[in-house]
Amino acid sequence: GENVEQHPSTLSVQEGDSAVIKCTYSDSASNYFPWYKQELGKGPQLIIDIRSNVGEKKDQRIAVTLNKTAKHFSLHITETQPEDSAVYFCAASPGGSYIPTFGRGTSLIVHP
Amino acid sequence: DVKVTQSSRYLVKRTGEKVFLECVQDMDHENMFWYRQDPGLGLRLIYFSYDVKMKEKGDIPEGYSVSREKKERFSLILESASTNQTSMYLCASIGGVGELFFGEGSRLTVL
Repeated sequence: GENVEQHPSTLSVQEGDSAVIKCTYSDSASNYFPWYKQELGKGPQLIIDIRSNVGEKKDQRIAVTLNKTAKHFSLHITETQPEDSAVYFCAASPGGSYIPTFGRGTSLIVHP
Repeated sequence: DVKVTQSSRYLVKRTGEKVFLECVQDMDHENMFWYRQDPGLGLRLIYFSYDVKMKEKGDIPEGYSVSREKKERFSLILESASTNQTSMYLCASIGGVGELFFGEGSRLTVL
């Protein structure tokens, strides 16, 4: 089955810095890679996703890159703000109704 | 706005009690999931259902059962709660392209 590794487990940055979270996956059949943000006391919410036919996707201050050959993908947050503080999960799946496999999460702390 | 609603946000139960966690989605999704979230362990899949009255075990089904009598409702049942089941429980349904929609979570404490 699929195995997703996520690093780091904790990331502490100053407001305005960039933050990068990295994930690797094992199953070459995976072609859908979502990222979820979980704020304190809430359920995870999808913030951005990427499919295997795309190498990079951007949405304002967040971007995701995918390297299918190396089987890794990353989340980049620029100009971090205190409201970016949350737990971030990466996931990988073949897409559609297939169950995604999650990384263990990264706790991002943005210091004002 | 699409929604997954978990009826209980916080529960405190005693060891041996039967616990029901209810989840309802309004998106007409076929597949629904129950996850358990513990610090450092991420999201672990307990059970999932791909249709009414259908269920499949996830990675950690021991001590849990589920019920899916209607498409929009998926319940998690702890037949006899134990202290090691103290955790955050998350319900989710899956959209057509593979994105998960989560509820707000149910934090269960078993004393």
